[in-house]
Amino acid sequence: NAGVTQTPKFRILKIGQSMTLQCAQDMNHNYMYWYRQDPGMGLKLIYYSVGAGITDKGEVPNGYNVSRSTTEDFPLRLELAAPSQTSVYFCASRVSGTSTDTQYFGPGTRLTVL
Amino acid sequence: DQQVKQNSPSLSVQEGRISILNCDYTNSMFDYFLWYKKYPAEGPTFLISISSIKDKNEDGRFTVFLNKSAKHLSLHIVPSQPGDSAVYFCAALTQTGANNLFFGTGTRLTVIP
Repeated sequence: NAGVTQTPKFRILKIGQSMTLQCAQDMNHNYMYWYRQDPGMGLKLIYYSVGAGITDKGEVPNGYNVSRSTTEDFPLRLELAAPSQTSVYFCASRVSGTSTDTQYFGPGTRLTVL
Repeated sequence: DQQVKQNSPSLSVQEGRISILNCDYTNSMFDYFLWYKKYPAEGPTFLISISSIKDKNEDGRFTVFLNKSAKHLSLHIVPSQPGDSAVYFCAALTQTGANNLFFGTGTRLTVIP
């Protein structure tokens, strides 16, 4: 299993540009998550999904959109990039057994908005 | 509002000695706590967890202690090894509701050979 994969690894955007961060998992996990980590800060939840077709907002959803058309993929969309979105983005997944099941994280996407 | 706090950004320990990483939380609804370890350019990986019905959980060299009355938990690593050098994140969740993880700001542990 590849686990949780994220593309791209790095990206530089200009203010106002848009992009999609890709996340895929091959563990047949129902739950998937997007986090951002700002320098010197902990990870904060942006959006999460409990299964295909079901998504919900986390702690910091403004400026982002998500969709979940398949179990495997959970892309994160930035429509109008702003410098405040400069961060490292992590995708994670877990089985749907119990809330205490381990979340498995991808390697992250480092995004810079100039 | 940071509901999970790690007040020490960094910690240096000699190889073979004990490392103690601390974490405080403010939300009394949290009932499950986890520690994640993160190496550079990688995602966090799960290390150890503890339920609020316990005050201690041990897994090999790693032990987590929970003091609910003080809203405080700590991770002990004994003995510390150079490969333990990483950033350690404390995280918490409530087992009812959305079950989302709330992370602390992390502590960078350096184990000196």
